[in-house]
Order: sequence, then C-alpha cells, then structure tokens
Amino acid sequence: NAGVTQTPKFQVLKTGQSMTLQCAQDMNHNSMYWYRQDPGMGLRLIYYSASEGTTDKGEVPNGYNVSRLNKREFSLRLESAAPSQTSVYFCASTLDRLAEAFFGQGTRLTVV
Amino acid sequence: DAKTTQPPSMDCAEGRAANLPCNHSTISGNEYVYWYRQIHSQGPQYIIHGLKNNETNEMASLIITEDRKSSTLILPHATLRDTAVYYCIVRFSPGANSKLTFGKGITLSVRP
Repeated sequence: NAGVTQTPKFQVLKTGQSMTLQCAQDMNHNSMYWYRQDPGMGLRLIYYSASEGTTDKGEVPNGYNVSRLNKREFSLRLESAAPSQTSVYFCASTLDRLAEAFFGQGTRLTVV
Repeated sequence: DAKTTQPPSMDCAEGRAANLPCNHSTISGNEYVYWYRQIHSQGPQYIIHGLKNNETNEMASLIITEDRKSSTLILPHATLRDTAVYYCIVRFSPGANSKLTFGKGITLSVRP
C-alpha cells in the first residue's frame, strides 16, 4: 500500500503564480487534512475535510483553497502565491475520529 | 479541543528511559490524548493514544494521571533514532470528526 501520496515533492514558484498540491490516500479513509510547517515551528492546520463532500477551515486558511475531489483525493490550491507561503506542506488522513493519522512525506514549496 | 503544554526540549542518554511530559489541564471527559513524533522533517508518525487507562504498544507507554490533566509518554530504551519532535495532542471524540491540531511539541535529543 502506498498510504498517503503527495505530489509534487518540491516546487519553486514565482510570486503571483498559482499551483495545486495533490494528495491521495489508498486506505479508504474518511478524513483528510492539509498542514503547513515553517522552519522551527509545529504543524499548523490549513483546511480539513471530515468526509467526502465537506471541507472546513483550520488555523491558517487565508490564501488557500481546497477541493475534496472524491474520497481518495484532497487538493490544496494557491491562487496567487506569496513568499509568506514558502513552507513544507503535509497532507494527512484518518479513518475516523479515533483513528491514527497517516501523513505524506511533504511538499517543499518555495515562493520567490 | 483542549490545549496542551509541553516543555520545548529535553535530552536523555541512549539506552535509558525517556519520559516526555504533557499538560492538558482543560481536558474534558471524552477527549483522548494522542502522541505523534516527527523525525527530521519527515511526515509525523502516530505513536499511541489513550483516554483514561495507561496504554502500551511496541513503541511506547502512555501514562495518564488520574485527574487526566497531564500525561507522560515513556520510551523505555531510547535509541539515537528516537531523536525527534514529539507532539502531544488532545482530541475530541464523540460526534463529528474533529480537527487534528498540533502544537510546537517537545524536541527530544538522545545522546550516545
């Protein structure tokens, strides 16, 4: 099983460009999450999706949009990238409210 | 979800037990305590979780105080590979899926 797969692993954007970070899980999990992690900081929740068809804001949603395309896939879009969005982005999924979370290996994004 | 407080860092000698503390004084009766760790900027990894009783698995033990206001994660025989950031999370259980929110965690350094 692949678990949680994020693409791309690395990306460099120019200020104002847009891009979509992809996340897919093959564990039939209900909930999916997007986090960002800045150097020396903990993970901060951007958006989450408790189930297919629903999405909710986390701690730092500004500048981002998400789509829960189906049960497997949860994408994160930056419409107009800013240098402040330079970070490592992690996607995670959980089967249900008590289950352990599985994380992808991260996308390292630099906005110049 | 209740907030947690962890010291920023600690160290221990290889082969000794590492006891990582966490305070969650505002925890409510149906909130679980979860522990994750993050090794060198990889995606976080689930370790263990519990409600009231002490829990043990192949990775660690979780000791929750009787009043549930604090807990300790115990790595019985720490190795150099246990050097990581450890996150203590309190998560609401019943009802709809709750957000999974991380703090800054505690950095554990295992010394040879």
